[in-house]
Amino acid sequence: GIQVEQSPPDLILQEGANSTLRCNFSDSVNNLQWFHQNPWGQLINLFYIPSGTKQNGRLSATTVATERYSLLYISSSQTTDSGVYFCAVPNTGGFKTIFGAGTRLFVKA
Amino acid sequence: KAGVTQTPRYLIKTRGQQVTLSCSPISGHRSVSWYQQTPGQGLQFLFEYFSETQRNKGNFPGRFSGRQFSNSRSEMNVSTLELGDSALYLCASSPALNYEQYFGPGTRLTVT
Repeated sequence: GIQVEQSPPDLILQEGANSTLRCNFSDSVNNLQWFHQNPWGQLINLFYIPSGTKQNGRLSATTVATERYSLLYISSSQTTDSGVYFCAVPNTGGFKTIFGAGTRLFVKA
Repeated sequence: KAGVTQTPRYLIKTRGQQVTLSCSPISGHRSVSWYQQTPGQGLQFLFEYFSETQRNKGNFPGRFSGRQFSNSRSEMNVSTLELGDSALYLCASSPALNYEQYFGPGTRLTVT
């Protein structure tokens, strides 16, 4: 089945800093989602981005499907950005969705 | 629109018991998927239902089962609970198969 790798696994930022999170996948996909999991476990939709670039406030994402990667950009980070960021893609092998292991972000005040 | 709701939010069970978790999708969504999240294994797909039919199933033992009702609400059942079943169980709904998913707050199950 498809493999999904996220990097870096952990990231510590000072409030106000920018960051880039990466998601690599081993096979072609027709959709990709980015999620933020808050400390209470809730998965919050950030982007549904099979290809191209999208922006939502301080966050933006780019997926280059032909090169099998997606990037999530966080600008001017805030303490409320802390949590785990996941990317998820469909597995053509038959299972619905494969999640990466996540990037754990901590933003210091 | 109301989001995905899951009940109960927290549950403590004893080994050998069985448990039923419930998920109500966003109004109009017909696909419901279930995931298990543990510190060791991460987020793993359990199964997906669409129009009351199981469409996909993850690599979990037969103790894990589910169903979907005509109003798209879904339940999952775990029988003969084991300590390793302690996890956060997440439900997601989407308008159709292979489309954007929206997650509920999860049910945190502890097996003692």
